[in-house]
Amino acid sequence: DSGVTQTPKHLITATGQRVTLRCSPRSGDLSVYWYQQSLDQGLQFLIQYYNGEERAKGNILERFSAQQFPDLHSELNLSSLELGDSALYFCASSETGWTGELFFGEGSRLTVL
Amino acid sequence: AQSVTQLDSQVPVFEEAPVELRCNYSSSVSVYLFWYVQYPNQGLQLLLKYLSGSTLVKGINGFEAEFNKSQTSFHLRKPSVHISDTAEYFCASQPRGSQGNLIFGKGTKLSVKP
Repeated sequence: DSGVTQTPKHLITATGQRVTLRCSPRSGDLSVYWYQQSLDQGLQFLIQYYNGEERAKGNILERFSAQQFPDLHSELNLSSLELGDSALYFCASSETGWTGELFFGEGSRLTVL
Repeated sequence: AQSVTQLDSQVPVFEEAPVELRCNYSSSVSVYLFWYVQYPNQGLQLLLKYLSGSTLVKGINGFEAEFNKSQTSFHLRKPSVHISDTAEYFCASQPRGSQGNLIFGKGTKLSVKP
């Protein structure tokens, strides 16, 4: 158990819909990262937050947005969903004193029908 | 721009045989290097990391990796694999001095057969 909690574990929805994925980082970790894992693209970095502020942005679509709240949990919002958005979405957190290690949650599997 | 290439998408091997999973990186700056493992239906967990110092890095579960700057490689090895090592392995890099995201390779599925 990494200490990172993601909900929901599975989500099935239709094209055009909007979903929210939630992540609680390990206790004390200020950084949260979102990754998308798909068969064709592999693990793609989406976005990073540090203590509520956006720190880095990767290949995140404009239809996607994220935020980190004062209690440090984070949410990834996916809107106008397309079939190609079906993937496993991982959240990870890291220690304040950087050690190079990311702690991953078990992921949220999104299926868009 | 950074990139990580894992040369084999699948590696089948028999139990107790040695294994090497290959990883090459490309970066215009110095990097930190990592290997993560993903067991079925689980998140990724760190196997080992190279930050500085000795180029031979030992990790958990008997795995080790060697950083080779001239060949821009960071291959993962284990002298004798077990059935329980069946998983997907990811190589990753991060620009030295940054504390941001990792760039992952596409993964290598290691399948250990009895």
